[in-house]
Amino acid sequence: DARVTQTPRHKVTEMGQEVTMRCQPILGHNTVFWYRQTMMQGLELLAYFRNRAPLDDSGMPKDRFSAEMPDATLATLKIQPSEPRDSAVYFCASGLGLRGTDTQYFGPGTRLTVL
Amino acid sequence: KQEVTQIPAALSVPEGENLVLNCSFTDSAIYNLQWFRQDPGKGLTSLLLIQSSQREQTSGRLNASLDKSSGRSTLYIAASQPGDSATYLCAVLSHNTDKLIFGTGTRLQVFP
Repeated sequence: DARVTQTPRHKVTEMGQEVTMRCQPILGHNTVFWYRQTMMQGLELLAYFRNRAPLDDSGMPKDRFSAEMPDATLATLKIQPSEPRDSAVYFCASGLGLRGTDTQYFGPGTRLTVL
Repeated sequence: KQEVTQIPAALSVPEGENLVLNCSFTDSAIYNLQWFRQDPGKGLTSLLLIQSSQREQTSGRLNASLDKSSGRSTLYIAASQPGDSATYLCAVLSHNTDKLIFGTGTRLQVFP
């Protein structure tokens, strides 16, 4: 049963610390997305990759967030330095990138709390 | 800019009722519309995907319709069960983008 995995599932950190979240997309999927979900803003797209190349990161605060795909099996989202307003659930999703016919498969999320 | 709205924001019904969740979007130039389910503390699970050329999709007790010209979709749940309790999110994939734009969801509670 192929699924997207994310680590850690929960993270509590103090303001100013670096946070790294990891995602393993479903094998064979060439498109990877990072979302953030908060009560106030709902689900927001932060960045996405196709074939490991970043296509759009306009949803990310550039000064503190960075997203990379070191290889096809790993996507990372880093926040440095973290701030209390970054507290949210961060989801990774992957897909085949077939517009119109393909859905996105979501991981369980990383719940981040910045104190 | 595509905007997606869902009403109602919350819904509480007794078991067995048929119910309708609504989704509207502002730009009709879409590839598809999708309905997702999210359980508390979990990720999203895709329920139904309607391509822009389709009018509806069905899966078990779920039926989703799409009226692209009016920018509307409905998710119909027949004979609701307590296990249907979750948040239901609608999302559209606009032309010339890979980005799904999500609504804020409808939180459904089905009580025995």
